Amino acid sequence: KNQVEQSPQSLIILEGKNCTLQCNYTVSPFSNLRWYKQDTGRGPVSLTIMTFSENTKSNGRYTATLDADTKQSSLHITASQLSDSASYICVVRGGGGADGLTFGKGTHLIIQP
Amino acid sequence: EAQVTQNPRYLITVTGKKLTVTCSQNMNHEYMSWYRQDPGLGLRQIYYSMNVEVTDKGDVPEGYKVSRKEKRNFPLILESTSPNQTSLYFCASSPRQGAGEKLFFGSGTQLSVL
Repeated sequence: KNQVEQSPQSLIILEGKNCTLQCNYTVSPFSNLRWYKQDTGRGPVSLTIMTFSENTKSNGRYTATLDADTKQSSLHITASQLSDSASYICVVRGGGGADGLTFGKGTHLIIQP
Repeated sequence: EAQVTQNPRYLITVTGKKLTVTCSQNMNHEYMSWYRQDPGLGLRQIYYSMNVEVTDKGDVPEGYKVSRKEKRNFPLILESTSPNQTSLYFCASSPRQGAGEKLFFGSGTQLSVL
């Protein structure tokens, strides 16, 4: 069964600190993996996409990595800011889901001043 | 401004009512989709549409209907509301549902069924 597992479920860190969110997937065949940021009460917004051949991709203070062999991705946030408080959702495109998308349940990140 | 617009933003109703949540996009996207989001369960797909007059069930279609008569609009119809449909609903669109296409989400509709 195609699945996307995210960890931790929730995370609290102090402003200015770094953190890493994890995404493990069993989707096959794999096409791409995308990270979304969802502010409370808003729709998710795409942060970055990783394809099979990409290992690392950055978007400002966000850096995503992908290891297609172990089927793992991470999202690293550097020098966190209060505005980073949000849920981060990992979405894998491949053979799963009614239209090829399998969603993780998200990691809820809280940045404390 | 390119956007996906959902209405209403908040909705409270009682069991057994028929209601429609509207979704419109101004980006000429072919693909549109509806999701519900519940605590601890994440986003789950209700229905999706690859193009005009082409719709298909997602993972949790029971109790919902959709239509895609024109490219820009994709309304979600609840024929007879029930308390288990209390949820946060999102509409999304993308140019087409292919490799590399990101989803553009609306701002959400919070539905409460009493």
